[in-house]
Amino acid sequence: SQQGEEDPQALSIQEGENATMNCSYKTSINNLQWYRQNSGRGLVHLILIRSNEREKHSGRLRVTLDTSKKSSSLLITASRAADTASYFCATEPINDYKLSFGAGTTVTVRA
Amino acid sequence: DAMVIQNPRYQVTQFGKPVTLSCSQTLNHNVMYWYQQKSSQAPKLLFHYYDKDFNNEADTPDNFQSRRPNTSFCFLDIRSPGLGDAAMYLCATSDSGRFYEQYFGPGTRLTVT
Repeated sequence: SQQGEEDPQALSIQEGENATMNCSYKTSINNLQWYRQNSGRGLVHLILIRSNEREKHSGRLRVTLDTSKKSSSLLITASRAADTASYFCATEPINDYKLSFGAGTTVTVRA
Repeated sequence: DAMVIQNPRYQVTQFGKPVTLSCSQTLNHNVMYWYQQKSSQAPKLLFHYYDKDFNNEADTPDNFQSRRPNTSFCFLDIRSPGLGDAAMYLCATSDSGRFYEQYFGPGTRLTVT
């Protein structure tokens, strides 16, 4: 079942700008993951943040996690046209290993 | 390169005509998942195998079945496709499930005519 909700649904930015998207979830989790999906393709794992972590970086990606608010954010800095994709958060609940995906944020980076 | 492969990438079938989608992996992961994804929606888990153990989601229609003959291969069978089954079908794998990321194949786009 879908647990995460993402905000905004769609985002359009200029190349070089930062893109921020948010994910809220409902139940306690082991970890939260972010995935990217280019149009018509499979999902690619970007970053995993554990429930005891508050922030994580990977290249131009920065993820935060606030378990008290049951929310996470993904920041893409200095965006490029190649960052145009849909971004999904996925939560791994406590007592399970199956991921529950949000509906995604569609990011368009304009050249 | 280790990867998850799905065949075919595009499949057209007729209403009610059985169809099989295949997935193979070279990652030697013991968990394999099948997701259904409709346009602009979240991937929806249909079922998964943890080793040889089959786990069906409660809301997966009986029309959908799966086989995993060995570690590397997994099949999705749709016995009588309806128009509502047109979607992208994604196969994914993970190493032992918990705390591990999932690796996705490129997907099979199913069209039902």
